Amino acid sequence: KAGVTQTPRYLIKTRGQQVTLSCSPISGHRSVSWYQQTPGQGLQFLFEYFSETQRNKGNFPGRFSGRQFSNSRSEMNVSTLELGDSALYLCASSLGAGPSYEQYFGPGTRLTVT
Amino acid sequence: QKEVEQNSGPLSVPEGAIASLNCTYSDRGSQSFFWYRQYSGKSPELIMSIYSNGDKEDGRFTAQLNKASQYVSLLIRDSQPSDSATYLCAVNEGASNYQLIWGAGTKLIIKP
Repeated sequence: KAGVTQTPRYLIKTRGQQVTLSCSPISGHRSVSWYQQTPGQGLQFLFEYFSETQRNKGNFPGRFSGRQFSNSRSEMNVSTLELGDSALYLCASSLGAGPSYEQYFGPGTRLTVT
Repeated sequence: QKEVEQNSGPLSVPEGAIASLNCTYSDRGSQSFFWYRQYSGKSPELIMSIYSNGDKEDGRFTAQLNKASQYVSLLIRDSQPSDSATYLCAVNEGASNYQLIWGAGTKLIIKP
């Protein structure tokens, strides 16, 4: 069974631009969570989607948004990029939404904002 | 604020010895506990989940959960240089919230 895939793997953007990242979960998984990882802050939760509905949202500004499609694929968008948005963005998929479900991570998208 | 605490390390362990990694959490309502391994430049990889008090073994790995004392630990037996990585502890936030709270990770170095 194929794992979680994320595209693109690397991205360089300029301040003020916007970016869209894509995540395809493991086949059969219906929940997708997004995280931001930086050396200083560790793993920070962005949001979780299940059955095309956002179930949870972390403490990030409204510039960070996401959506999930009927095939469970998910996208996240960051508008008006800031230098501090440079990070590894990770997507994790799980069978369902709930505390007992294990999350499996994709390889991540490394975003650099200049 | 609900927290998950881990010693940042680095924790240096001789090859073949037992590595012991610890994690404490603040939310008494937490039900699910996960250990992940992350190699430098890679994404986290699930090692084990544990939901009940006691020990859970999987190969060289043993997770131990003590809800009364609010800690979860990971033991790695017969440590190998390939076990050198950062180990992340994740705990769900309470009984009604699916969000995982993550520790900052412990860097483990296995010395040949």
